[in-house]
Amino acid sequence: QSVLTQPPSASGTPGQRVTISCSGSSSNIGGNTVNWYQHLPGTAPKLLIYRNNQRPSGVPDRFSGSKSGTSASLAISGLQSEDEGDYYCAAWEDSLNGWVFGGGTKLTVL
Amino acid sequence: QVQLVQSGAEVKKPGASVKVSCKASGYTFTNYGITWVRQAPGQGLEWMGWISGYNGNTKYAQHLQGRVTMTRDTSTSTAYMELRSLRSDDTAVYYCARDLAAIGTGNWFDPWGQGTLVTVSS
Repeated sequence: QSVLTQPPSASGTPGQRVTISCSGSSSNIGGNTVNWYQHLPGTAPKLLIYRNNQRPSGVPDRFSGSKSGTSASLAISGLQSEDEGDYYCAAWEDSLNGWVFGGGTKLTVL
Repeated sequence: QVQLVQSGAEVKKPGASVKVSCKASGYTFTNYGITWVRQAPGQGLEWMGWISGYNGNTKYAQHLQGRVTMTRDTSTSTAYMELRSLRSDDTAVYYCARDLAAIGTGNWFDPWGQGTLVTVSS
């Protein structure tokens, strides 16, 4: 049971916009920033969004992040087949004094 | 370019220890930290702990305290993660990732190493 809650799956067709949610509490998302990681099959995880809505250089602007209260969202617009994989949110958990991840969302491009 | 290269796959028996290395290149090792994350088969990502490349300070996940030790060798820009008293549920891919030099709630992990599969089996 993950501290951060994500839907187990999401899907969309090429070109569509999809959103992945990440729900937490005041001790994690509510008081700290959220990062998003992309984990494609057979590769190492990759940073997509840091500090709620910041994109590292090299990450396309199709990817965007937002946070409101104790929840965060990752939006992917112009969906492409190469976006298919797992997506994880992460935040610092004050009660554990450490990082926690969401359970991951498997994105399928139909 | 910034790169983290990890040691190869390991097979260990229950009760044994494993030590995974993570060699950094393309940046000043002592200006950053290293975080370790693992992923058990079919499961999500799990944070294990962090070590400062600057002064070797560490912070471990509560549930691994006493079983995990993270060290670093600044002369070779290499970080190490040792896990003791291995159990079958420690079977996982272990990743290192570059973190900031000081532990903080606003940090992030980028980039990641290629991963090291550790299999614990009798």
